[in-house]
Amino acid sequence: DAKTTQPPSMDCAEGRAANLPCNHSTISGNEYVYWYRQIHSQGPQYIIHGLKNNETNEMASLIITEDRKSSTLILPHATLRDTAVYYCIVRVDSGNTPLVFGKGTRLSVIA
Amino acid sequence: NAGVTQTPKFQVLKTGQSMTLQCAQDMNHEYMSWYRQDPGMGLRLIHYSVGAGITDQGEVPNGYNVSRSTTEDFPLRLLSAAPSQTSVYFCASRRGRGVYGYTFGSGTRLTVV
Repeated sequence: DAKTTQPPSMDCAEGRAANLPCNHSTISGNEYVYWYRQIHSQGPQYIIHGLKNNETNEMASLIITEDRKSSTLILPHATLRDTAVYYCIVRVDSGNTPLVFGKGTRLSVIA
Repeated sequence: NAGVTQTPKFQVLKTGQSMTLQCAQDMNHEYMSWYRQDPGMGLRLIHYSVGAGITDQGEVPNGYNVSRSTTEDFPLRLLSAAPSQTSVYFCASRRGRGVYGYTFGSGTRLTVV
């Protein structure tokens, strides 16, 4: 699986959009971009995934650049409950490829 | 639909004791995995399974055994507990073929003294 690079930490004001970047310059054509988050002491939570096109669900939006070498997770109106570690994971989704976590970005939403 | 259920939530073991961490899911998911998370660290993959009867090792398998006799259950066995195995253990599952996210359990907090 391609390696990802994320900033170790970010701050965001409550009510503002949180934009979390992820660099995956060695991504292959069949690798998906996944985002998970882990709120303190809880199990990780799946947020969203994408291949080429931008994706949106009830939790977030995922913007993938045209060359697919980077992506941004957007939380449109961050709340205090969005304070968590956010993981960007790139992987081929086939057969027995397990999910491997990096160090992620610690997002702090500030009142 | 309970999702992924892990038991116990907390456990204290003495060095050398053995125990089994239970993980069960009721979503008919084919894929299941075990992770450990040490304080202030990221998640590391211990073992995983792509279906009943099939298991494989992750990044940190030493000291742990797994088996998958049913689709629903994926127990993790600590053979002889060591203080280095003090950690939070998470179990996760997802559907098989196709592009899906994993569902995680709430974790088991294990302390080995």
